[in-house]
Amino acid sequence: VQLLESGGGLVQPGGSLRLSCTASGFIFSDFAMSWVRQAPGKGLDWVSSIDASGGKTYYADSVKGRFTISRDSSKNTVFLQMNSLRVEDTAVYYCARRMSTPGYWGQGTLVTVSS
Amino acid sequence: DVVMTQSPLSLPVTPGQPASISCRSSQSLVHSDGNTYLNWFYQRPGQSPRRLIYKVSNRDSGVPDRLSGNGSGTDFTLKISRVEAEDVGVYYCMQGTHRPYTFGQGTKLEVK
Repeated sequence: VQLLESGGGLVQPGGSLRLSCTASGFIFSDFAMSWVRQAPGKGLDWVSSIDASGGKTYYADSVKGRFTISRDSSKNTVFLQMNSLRVEDTAVYYCARRMSTPGYWGQGTLVTVSS
Repeated sequence: DVVMTQSPLSLPVTPGQPASISCRSSQSLVHSDGNTYLNWFYQRPGQSPRRLIYKVSNRDSGVPDRLSGNGSGTDFTLKISRVEAEDVGVYYCMQGTHRPYTFGQGTKLEVK
């Protein structure tokens, strides 16, 4: 199982970024996927999850209305569209397989929101 | 939201000695499907978290049997029977029963 995140970078407050997580080594369409973030020097913070079919999505209150999770099973990829970014969204964003028991994690991609 | 409270937050341990981390939730973690979605993760600086234990007491592949998880309802524990130098890092509990899923603050284990 491998999860490879990409799309992080430096963005100004109010800007947008789209993160991608490409999966391999398992049947992608069988599993829910999640995004979890970790601010510098801080703990882990669940951001969003999407069920295996892509029909149900879930968000932390702190990102609801600003972030959108989606998936493309033809590309074995889950996305996190992040709009209206705030300084407090600065973190390493990890992609993980499953929702309630995330067992495999990617290496993370750093998002820095700063002017 | 379910608050996960870990203790201690810092845990200095002599190699070969046991260690125990407590994790308490602000409400029961028993899901309507009968499962209790309490997980334990381990993270070294600069690395991704690694799951050690899922659903309270199930060890992940490759996790040494020195590590064990137990508990029920709102009270859970991760135990290391004999601490080794490689166990240094931060340990997190996480509940996957109630959305939003939430993590404990982390317990930093260091070897004396």
